[in-house]
Amino acid sequence: GENVEQHPSTLSVQEGDSAVIKCTYSDSASNYFPWYKQELGKRPQLIIDIRSNVGEKKDQRIAVTLNKTAKHFSLHITETQPEDSAVYFCAASSGAGSYQLTFGKGTKLSVIP
Amino acid sequence: DSGVTQTPKHLITATGQRVTLRCSPRSGDLSVYWYQQSLDQGLQFLIQYYNGEERAKGNILERFSAQQFPDLHSELNLSSLELGDSALYFCASSVNQGATGELFFGEGSRLTVL
Repeated sequence: GENVEQHPSTLSVQEGDSAVIKCTYSDSASNYFPWYKQELGKRPQLIIDIRSNVGEKKDQRIAVTLNKTAKHFSLHITETQPEDSAVYFCAASSGAGSYQLTFGKGTKLSVIP
Repeated sequence: DSGVTQTPKHLITATGQRVTLRCSPRSGDLSVYWYQQSLDQGLQFLIQYYNGEERAKGNILERFSAQQFPDLHSELNLSSLELGDSALYFCASSVNQGATGELFFGEGSRLTVL
């Protein structure tokens, strides 16, 4: 089955700096790569996603890049703010019919004011 | 509010017992996913249903079972509970048959096994 590795597990940045979280996946047939943000005590929520036919996608301060050859994708957050502090999960959709969404173990991002 | 409803929100029980967690998906969503979230283990995929049929199975223990009913709500049954089953169990729903679109998560059911 699909295996998604996520690094780093924790990340601290100063407010205004950039944050980068990286993920690798094992199934070359995976075709959909979302990122979810989970604030403390809350449910995970989708913040951005990318499909296998696209190399990069941006949404304001958030961007995701995908390298299918290397089987890795990354989340970039620019001009970080305290409200960006949360756990971020990457995921990959795989399997016959792409029914299974496999998540990485998460990155706890702390933005220091 | 995601539109996904999970009950109960909290549950405390003893080892060896059986519990049932319930999930009502968003209106119009036919897919339901169950995930287990333990400390340091991220979101572990358990099982997925689409319109009443099982579509994918992850690392779900044999002591666990699930089903999706004709009204599309789903139940996750956990039996012969062990201490290690203590976790936050999330249900999510989506309109797509496959996991290639946004999943809408409920608030979760926190299970504590003593």
